[in-house]
Amino acid sequence: AAGVIQSPRHLIKEKRETATLKCYPIPRHDTVYWYQQGPGQDPQFLISFYEKMQSDKGSIPDRFSAQQFSDYHSELNMSSLELGDSALYFCASSLGWGRGQQPQHFGDGTRLSIL
Amino acid sequence: AQSVTQLGSHVSVSEGALVLLRCNYSSSVPPYLFWYVQYPNQGLQLLLKYTSAATLVKGINGFEAEFKKSETSFHLTKPSAHMSDAAEYFCAVSAFPGNQFYFGTGTSLTVIP
Repeated sequence: AAGVIQSPRHLIKEKRETATLKCYPIPRHDTVYWYQQGPGQDPQFLISFYEKMQSDKGSIPDRFSAQQFSDYHSELNMSSLELGDSALYFCASSLGWGRGQQPQHFGDGTRLSIL
Repeated sequence: AQSVTQLGSHVSVSEGALVLLRCNYSSSVPPYLFWYVQYPNQGLQLLLKYTSAATLVKGINGFEAEFKKSETSFHLTKPSAHMSDAAEYFCAVSAFPGNQFYFGTGTSLTVIP
């Protein structure tokens, strides 16, 4: 079965650079979520989109922005990168919004390292 | 507001022994609860979910969890641990409205041969 695809798997950047992470949800899934997982920490919700509109916003820094495109893939844009942005970034997808019983299916993540 | 608390950041069991990973939740509305497993350098894989149907939920790989409203708990169990069960386990509760997840801090399971 198709899963959530994230690219790239690994990304190395320097401070103050920009980065773009991509997420391709499971086919027919209309909701995408972004999470940040620091070393040894639990995933923290950043932002979500339903039908190409922002649906919920969590602890996403103002330096970050995201959008969902017409084909439902999503991109997380990160600017003015800081050392503290080094983390594993997960994308998840589900079917529908406002129905919390739908499980979220996670990609393998993008590991971002800031030098 | 919803949240989950996982007691015990590290749990060690012998191969073949019972696995018990604890999760307590806090929710102002009937919760939707999930257990995920994470292997090193991989994403989170859904083990099982509770969505107000049966209180005893069976998942993949022989895991199950029981929703106990009186104890606000959703502990994960497996009768006999296998070496391949060694991983990080996260309990999560779904927000309402909307459905971003709030994760617990995770429990690292070690299986001793």
